[in-house]
Amino acid sequence: DVKVTQSSRYLVKRTGEKVFLECVQDMDHENMFWYRQDPGLGLRLIYFSYDVKMKEKGDIPEGYSVSREKKERFSLILESASTNQTSMYLCASSLSTDYGYTFGSGTRLTVV
Amino acid sequence: TQLLEQSPQFLSIQEGENLTVYCNSSSVFSSLQWYRQEPGEGPVLLVTVVTGGEVKKLKRLTFQFGDARKDSSLHITAAQPGDTGLYLCAGPSTANAGKSTFGDGTTLTVKP
Repeated sequence: DVKVTQSSRYLVKRTGEKVFLECVQDMDHENMFWYRQDPGLGLRLIYFSYDVKMKEKGDIPEGYSVSREKKERFSLILESASTNQTSMYLCASSLSTDYGYTFGSGTRLTVV
Repeated sequence: TQLLEQSPQFLSIQEGENLTVYCNSSSVFSSLQWYRQEPGEGPVLLVTVVTGGEVKKLKRLTFQFGDARKDSSLHITAAQPGDTGLYLCAGPSTANAGKSTFGDGTTLTVKP
């Protein structure tokens, strides 16, 4: 069964902390994505990567960075967590957007 | 900018009823995907439609892609409580290769 695995289901962090969200896929997909999902705002793309060490800004990259050192792993970094980054974070991978995404189960991050 | 508009935004029905939800755009898409997302989980890909006029069935769910490839519908026959969730449509972005455009979703509640 193909999978996208996010390292944590729930996280609580303090304002100002540096936060790492990890995502691993076992499908050998080139493309990986980080989204956040908030009520009333839908899915918003933070960053995506189409190859190792490559990254592209999405629609809301401010306050975030990413790392893709290996094909199967895509990490999202909150440099200095703020309360407005409290959200559901979803990682996804795809072979091609024509075939859709495989999403992870999500990480519910609360910044206090 | 390609937009996908989903309707209705919310739908609450009794078990056994039939329903249709819609995904519309003024833009042509090379394909469209439908996802279902249960509370606290990531979206799960249900189907991809590629050809204009295409109809795909997944048990009690019927997906149709419009002839002009600008819209799609999802029909559920004899809805069950297990169908409850957020239904999202998405399609490849022509403006930004490697990314998908997502609709805001239809939240379906099926009451026993």
